[in-house]
Amino acid sequence: NAGVMQNPRHLVRRRGQEARLRCSPMKGHSHVYWYRQLPEEGLKFMVYLQKENIIDESGMPKERFSAEFPKEGPSILRIQQVVRGDSAAYFCASSSGPDRANTEAFFGQGTRLTVV
Amino acid sequence: GQNIDQPTEMTATEGAIVQINCTYQTSGFNGLFWYQQHAGEAPTFLSYNVLDGLEEKGRFSSFLSRSKGYSYLLLKELQMKDSASYLCAVRNTGFQKLVFGTGTRLLVSP
Repeated sequence: NAGVMQNPRHLVRRRGQEARLRCSPMKGHSHVYWYRQLPEEGLKFMVYLQKENIIDESGMPKERFSAEFPKEGPSILRIQQVVRGDSAAYFCASSSGPDRANTEAFFGQGTRLTVV
Repeated sequence: GQNIDQPTEMTATEGAIVQINCTYQTSGFNGLFWYQQHAGEAPTFLSYNVLDGLEEKGRFSSFLSRSKGYSYLLLKELQMKDSASYLCAVRNTGFQKLVFGTGTRLLVSP
C-alpha cells in the first residue's frame, strides 16, 4: 500500500511561470489537504478537498492559487505567475475521512518549490 | 480563531527525558496530534489524543487536558535520531483540517 505520493519532489520556476504540484492520496483515502511550509515555520493549511469538491479553501490566497481533486487522477495545486514569495515546501496529506474520530492524516514527502 | 503555542527550541542530552509543551485555543476541538519532522522530510505521525489523559506508545507519551487547552509530548531515553522538529496540531470540528503550531526544534546532544 503506497503512501501519499507527491511529484515532483523539487520544482524550479522562473518568476511569472506556472507551477503545478501533484498529489496522489493513499489507496482508499478520498480526503486531501494541502499545506505550505515556509523555511523555519510551521505548516499552514491551504485547502481541503474531496473528490470533485473543494470543502474548505480558507487558507488559499485569493489570487493565483487554485486546487482541484478530479474524479480520476491526482489532486493538483496550481500556482499561476509565481513570485519569489511562493518559494516553500508544499505538503499534501490524505485521510480516510471525518467519519472516524481518530483519522490521522498521512503526509507525502512534499514538493519544494523554488522561484528564481 | 485558533492559536497554538509551542517553545521554539529545546536541547537535551542523549538518554535523558524531555517534555515538549503545547497550549491551544480553538473554537472547536476534535483531537490533538503530535508529528515528528526531520529537516527536509515529511511530518510523520506520533500520537493522537481526544480524551483527557496520557497515551503511551513506547518511548513516546502524549498528555491532554482539554479544560486547560494543554498537551505535552514526553520523550524518554532520548537518542540522537530524536533530533527533529515536533509539531503540535489541533483538529477542529467541522472541516477536519489540522491547525499546526510552529513546531519545537529539539536538539539531542551526546
